[in-house]
Amino acid sequence: SQKIEQNSEALNIQEGKTATLTCNYTNYSPAYLQWYRQDPGRGPVFLLLIRENEKEKRKERLKVTFDTTLKQSLFHITASQPADSATYLCALETAGNKLTFGGGTRVLVKP
Amino acid sequence: DTGVSQNPRHKITKRGQNVTFRCDPISEHNRLYWYRQTLGQGPEFLTYFQNEAQLEKSRLLSDRFSAERPKGSFSTLEIQRTEQGDSAMYLCASSAGQGVETQYFGPGTRLLVL
Repeated sequence: SQKIEQNSEALNIQEGKTATLTCNYTNYSPAYLQWYRQDPGRGPVFLLLIRENEKEKRKERLKVTFDTTLKQSLFHITASQPADSATYLCALETAGNKLTFGGGTRVLVKP
Repeated sequence: DTGVSQNPRHKITKRGQNVTFRCDPISEHNRLYWYRQTLGQGPEFLTYFQNEAQLEKSRLLSDRFSAERPKGSFSTLEIQRTEQGDSAMYLCASSAGQGVETQYFGPGTRLLVL
């Protein structure tokens, strides 16, 4: 069966440290993968997109890697800040430009 | 703000009642998506439109659910004979419909069925 797995346990991290989140998938061959941020009671907000032929993408303090052999993406928040506290969702492009989401990982950055 | 808007933001209803939600996408976005999200889970795809055509429906979308996008602009999602299991956040997203897609989400409608 097709699965997208993110660590369901919350990630508690000290301000200034790097948070690393994992997204693993099985039985998919996505052309691209996206990461979204979601705050409580709000809709997801797009952060980064990485294509299957790209190894790494950066945007400000965010970095995403994509390993199609391992079927894994890593999402890094460097120099984390309390304002980075949120749930982070990975999403795979599946047939027909549809996005299939993982369950999300909650990040809590402590000052 | 010209982002995606959804109304109402919250809806409480009794089991067996019908409810209708509205989504106004970003203007000129061709694609419109509906998702359902329950607590602690990621959004689950329900259906999507390319302009006014409904192109795909998830098996999650039972016969009690119907969605429309009559003029290729706003969309409505109706749930008939609501059940307690329908309680969730209903999210709408839109995209430009060209090439690699970024989806822009609305704030969602939170439904509670008593």
